[in-house]
Amino acid sequence: NAGVTQTPKFQVLKTGQSMTLQCAQDMNHEYMSWYRQDPGMGLRLIHYSVGAGITDQGEVPNGYNVSRSTTEDFPLRLLSAAPSQTSVYFCASSSLDYGYTFGSGTRLTVV
Amino acid sequence: AQSVTQLGSHVSVSEGALVLLRCNYSSSVPPYLFWYVQYPNQGLQLLLKYTSAATLVKGINGFEAEFKKSETSFHLTKPSAHMSDAAEYFCAVSAMNTGFQKLVFGTGTRLLVSP
Repeated sequence: NAGVTQTPKFQVLKTGQSMTLQCAQDMNHEYMSWYRQDPGMGLRLIHYSVGAGITDQGEVPNGYNVSRSTTEDFPLRLLSAAPSQTSVYFCASSSLDYGYTFGSGTRLTVV
Repeated sequence: AQSVTQLGSHVSVSEGALVLLRCNYSSSVPPYLFWYVQYPNQGLQLLLKYTSAATLVKGINGFEAEFKKSETSFHLTKPSAHMSDAAEYFCAVSAMNTGFQKLVFGTGTRLLVSP
């Protein structure tokens, strides 16, 4: 099915470990973005991309890196995981014609 | 810059009662506005969106919202609540001049529906 695919769905990390959350879309959308969801705080934008090779910071970018080498993929890297990064992460792709499509989320726990 | 304020982190209604979830936005440019619903342990589902066509927007599951520029509001309503409407609802804004590059969300309102 067309849409946004996020992997993994669940992950437990130890403090200081690194990992990459994967996000892929097959709708040829130009825009992609990453959000984190925390109780009582809604979804906050981490990083976003307006096309291959172009990324920018959102509201809460510290501790995260992104790159966009292809239109389809937009991985989110945690460089050195901290308990404060325990959250649910959502990837989205969007275009002006289509609107936003969200992935099903990755639940990350850092211990 | 854009921001969204959702008044009331929790709203309780009885089944069959009117649902009113409030959203006020701030935007230095004309906005696109959205309402999303999230059921427990699930992702986000689009209820409706305002993209500068009609100011009264009808969405799925009987919900609708009215864009009021003078009040900078985009409140979500449903005439009669169902038990299945119990979920968390998020209002979001995007800047019209940058298209759909990024969304700014409110903090969410949890709707509780009692029999």
